[in-house]
Amino acid sequence: GAVVSQHPSRVICKSGTSVKIECRSLDFQATTMFWYRQFPKKSLMLMATSNEGSKATYEQGVEKDKFLINHASLTLSTLTVTSAHPEDSSFYICSARAHNGQYFGPGTRLTVL
Amino acid sequence: GESVGLHLPTLSVQEGDNSIINCAYSNSASDYFIWYKQESGKGPQFIIDIRSNMDKRQGQRVTVLLNKTVKHLSLQIAATQPGDSAVYFCAENIKGNTPLVFGKGTRLSVIA
Repeated sequence: GAVVSQHPSRVICKSGTSVKIECRSLDFQATTMFWYRQFPKKSLMLMATSNEGSKATYEQGVEKDKFLINHASLTLSTLTVTSAHPEDSSFYICSARAHNGQYFGPGTRLTVL
Repeated sequence: GESVGLHLPTLSVQEGDNSIINCAYSNSASDYFIWYKQESGKGPQFIIDIRSNMDKRQGQRVTVLLNKTVKHLSLQIAATQPGDSAVYFCAENIKGNTPLVFGKGTRLSVIA
């Protein structure tokens, strides 16, 4: 099956710093990737849709200037959490669309101190 | 597909018994449904899917049932094993290339 990787798997940072999370489709090309956020004991909430070569589409209530998304190639999308605050601490999961379905990365645990 | 309430519903079953996990989906235009398994600290793993032109699909030890009339989806796990303990999410795809929308999730605990 299709494999999606994320890096880093976990990151701890200080308030006010920026953190970049990478999402890669390892064995397929993905023109569309998705970023989800998950709080403890909650479901996945879609943050944005990332399209290769164009601007991301953000869901209502998600600040595009805070969560910067770049999809520069068919195998890589990045999410940068800018000026992180403790309330940004969460589990961030990316997903990539292959021809036969939508596959998920292993997630990145972000903790902002 | 946004979760409601403070805690995930939990289903506890004895090892060896069958499990049935239910999901109500939101959009009658959805044409594709997937069940995912999520273990603690990991991303969702694909279990089984079903298209809206079917009402039942079977996999290895798992069966998905779709009732479009009441917008209900269920996942049946036969002979539940300790390794099945996880949170299970249903997801729906509204027609077209839209992203999956996730349901609330159910925590399955298998008692050995």
